[in-house]
Amino acid sequence: TQLLEQSPQFLSIQEGENLTVYCNSSSVFSSLQWYRQEPGEGPVLLVTVVTGGEVKKLKRLTFQFGDARKDSSLHITAAQPGDTGLYLCAGALANAGKSTFGDGTTLTVKP
Amino acid sequence: DTEVTQTPKHLVMGMTNKKSLKCEQHMGHRAMYWYKQKAKKPPELMFVYSYEKLSINESVPSRFSPECPNSSLLNLHLHALQPEDSALYLCASSQDGWTGELFFGEGSRLTVL
Repeated sequence: TQLLEQSPQFLSIQEGENLTVYCNSSSVFSSLQWYRQEPGEGPVLLVTVVTGGEVKKLKRLTFQFGDARKDSSLHITAAQPGDTGLYLCAGALANAGKSTFGDGTTLTVKP
Repeated sequence: DTEVTQTPKHLVMGMTNKKSLKCEQHMGHRAMYWYKQKAKKPPELMFVYSYEKLSINESVPSRFSPECPNSSLLNLHLHALQPEDSALYLCASSQDGWTGELFFGEGSRLTVL
């Protein structure tokens, strides 16, 4: 059983379109992270959300943490080819000493 | 530029070879991690060192042997690997073992022939 369900698994869109990626769980997380990974490189931390209902913006990216701290979403406005990559959500359970990753969303933005 | 440095970037080895992957961070982080990643899949946790002590071993086969010489260095010793062990091996660090924020290196691409 996957602790963090991420959807969609694959997404191919045209430049300029908007998109949303979802990360859902039945568990409560003390914090949740979003990473982007480009081919041949390691994941890069984009954001951490900690408080239920929290919204964070990073240029064209908007991150939300659910009120109950069980789910999160990533919304990209006016996607660009440079946004192409594997997007990963990861949750930290209290006192677990490790993060649990979702299955990832492979995003392709075509020019 | 990543502040977690991994060497080598690429490694090709036979099933009878012994090799090591190395990782270094100078952010003062006290937790370090080894992950294995297959193409288009999320990283899979292998080992966690917290304050230089092995705190988590995710039932990894003994042909993988981690070592943490000090708080800045992490090694992964490889011996008698199988072709299915070919993958991207990622090192990561975090401030401690509890915050969740991971800082990854660029990875070592391992091919086992």
